[in-house]
This record gives sequence, C-alpha cells and structure tokens, in this order.
Amino acid sequence: DSGVTQTPKHLITATGQRVTLRCSPRSGDLSVYWYQQSLDQGLQFLIQYYNGEERAKGNILERFSAQQFPDLHSELNLSSLELGDSALYFCASSPWVTDTQYFGPGTRLTVL
Amino acid sequence: GQQVMQIPQYQHVQEGEDFTTYCNSSTTLSNIQWYKQRPGGHPVFLIQLVKSGEVKKQKRLTFQFGEAKKNSSLHITATQTTDVGTYFCAGLTGGGNKLTFGTGTQLKVEL
Repeated sequence: DSGVTQTPKHLITATGQRVTLRCSPRSGDLSVYWYQQSLDQGLQFLIQYYNGEERAKGNILERFSAQQFPDLHSELNLSSLELGDSALYFCASSPWVTDTQYFGPGTRLTVL
Repeated sequence: GQQVMQIPQYQHVQEGEDFTTYCNSSTTLSNIQWYKQRPGGHPVFLIQLVKSGEVKKQKRLTFQFGEAKKNSSLHITATQTTDVGTYFCAGLTGGGNKLTFGTGTQLKVEL
C-alpha cells in the first residue's frame, strides 16, 4: 500500500460524457501527478500539481483538466469522452517536485 | 522534448536466466529512477541513481547509470517468476520539472 488513494476503482461510461477521477496523496506529499496508461502502453504523463499550483504539463488533451485543492487532494476531469480515452489513470504523489513518486492503485476507465 | 527509450520492449526468459533492460535518454539526466509494475498493479519505485557511473545492487538486481548520464541499465541475475512485470526507467533533466518515463520493458519468466 503506497498511501495514495484513488477513487473510483472502476468507471464505465458512454462517449460524450464527463467524469471526475479523485486522488488523495500520501500524508505530507505536496506534489500530485496524473498519468494515463492505455493497454500495453507506457505511462503517459498528463499533468503535475505542487501545493495547489500547476507545475508541469505533459500530453494532456484540452478536453481534460485537473486541479489540486487546499487539502492537497486532486481531481482529474475528463469531458467529451471518446472510446480512445479508455485507459488506466494513475495518480502519484511525492514530497516535493522531483522526488520518488508513489503511485496509487489507479482508476480503470472504460468508455463504451 | 526529452525522450526516454527502453529496449527491449518485451523479453521472455526461462526461470534462472539473466535479464537486462536498457534505458536511453536523448538528453543528459540529473538522475534516473527505476520502477516495476506487476501485471494488474501500479508502478512501484525500486531505486534512484544520481552519480555518473553509479552502480547499485538490490539482491539479484543491479542498476547502473552511464558515465555520460544519458543511459542506464537494470540487470536481473537468475530470474524468478516473481520478477515478472514491466520495468520502467524514469529520467529527470537538470532543469526540468517532470520525470519522463521510459517506454518500459515487459518481462515474462517461464518455468
């Protein structure tokens, strides 16, 4: 158990819909990262927040957005969902900006 | 942008054989981290290398950081079925804000 929690564990929805994935970092960690992992694919970095501020951006689509709240939990919002958005979405946290990352168990999103 | 490639993409070995995965970056790295993801699981941190030419060992796993700090390798001696999974390297550039994960090497170990 890494100490990072993600909800929900599974999510099934339809194309065109909007969903919100939630992440609670390890106690004391200030950075939160979001990754997308499609079937048999590597980890695609989406975005990083540090202490409530956006720190780095990766290959995040305009239909996707994220935020980190004052209590340091983070949410990833995915809108106008397409079939290709079906993937595992991981959240990770670290104490500072570029430390070891601790990954949560992931949310498996299925878009039908 | 920075790219981190790993080879091979897949590797099947017989239990007891050795295994090596190589990680190559297009830019010089300030450090490199290795993660393991078991099937159905999430990536788990294994180790971090910082110094040029650094070598670290964890039981049957040997990690090396290249002299030019642009490449790294993970070598597993006498693989076991518990070694099954995907191994990712992740490189950090000196002035960068993000860790760039490699493409991963999926290891399968057959009895």
